[in-house]
Amino acid sequence: EAQVTQNPRYLITVTGKKLTVTCSQNMNHEYMSWYRQDPGLGLRQIYYSMNVEVTDKGDVPEGYKVSRKEKRNFPLILESPSPNQTSLYFCASSLQGLSDTQYFGPGTRLTVL
Amino acid sequence: SQKIEQNSEALNIQEGKTATLTCNYTNYSPAYLQWYRQDPGRGPVFLLLIRENEKEKRKERLKVTFDTTLKQSLFHITASQPADSATYLCALDITGAGSYQLTFGKGTKLSVIP
Repeated sequence: EAQVTQNPRYLITVTGKKLTVTCSQNMNHEYMSWYRQDPGLGLRQIYYSMNVEVTDKGDVPEGYKVSRKEKRNFPLILESPSPNQTSLYFCASSLQGLSDTQYFGPGTRLTVL
Repeated sequence: SQKIEQNSEALNIQEGKTATLTCNYTNYSPAYLQWYRQDPGRGPVFLLLIRENEKEKRKERLKVTFDTTLKQSLFHITASQPADSATYLCALDITGAGSYQLTFGKGTKLSVIP
């Protein structure tokens, strides 16, 4: 089944403890991206990647890192999480870019205490 | 800077009626605009994409229009059903042709009342 998977689905952590949220797609998509969704603010793009080893900042990249070493994986790294990073995170992928359908993962609900 | 506005935060309609949702944008006209559906706690699901040279696009009970003069897209659901209740998001390339940054509107929460 074609899908985007994220792990973990739920995570409660403490301020400053490094964490990684994984994202993987099995559709051989070139474009992948991360979003956070907050009440009243909608979906905001954090980082995106056009292909392996090519990444760029979205609207809200501060406090986040990403890497794209393999085509299928696009992990989101929070080196020192803070409470304002408490949010619902979504990974998405598409065949080549914005003119293609974006397939979203199921989401990761992160709470930073 | 480019902005996306979805006019209504919430829209309530009676079952069987046509729901019309609006997406407005400022500044330059994007090459295409997308519409997604999102259910609570779940990822958005792609519905339709319309390109700047297309005035209208249909998929079953869904219809999208794209008016580059008004800088507006309208999303219609005909013969609405309670199962259509969800939040609907429009999205476009906000920074310019050739960029890879996709921006979403804040969405309109549609409730279809039986």
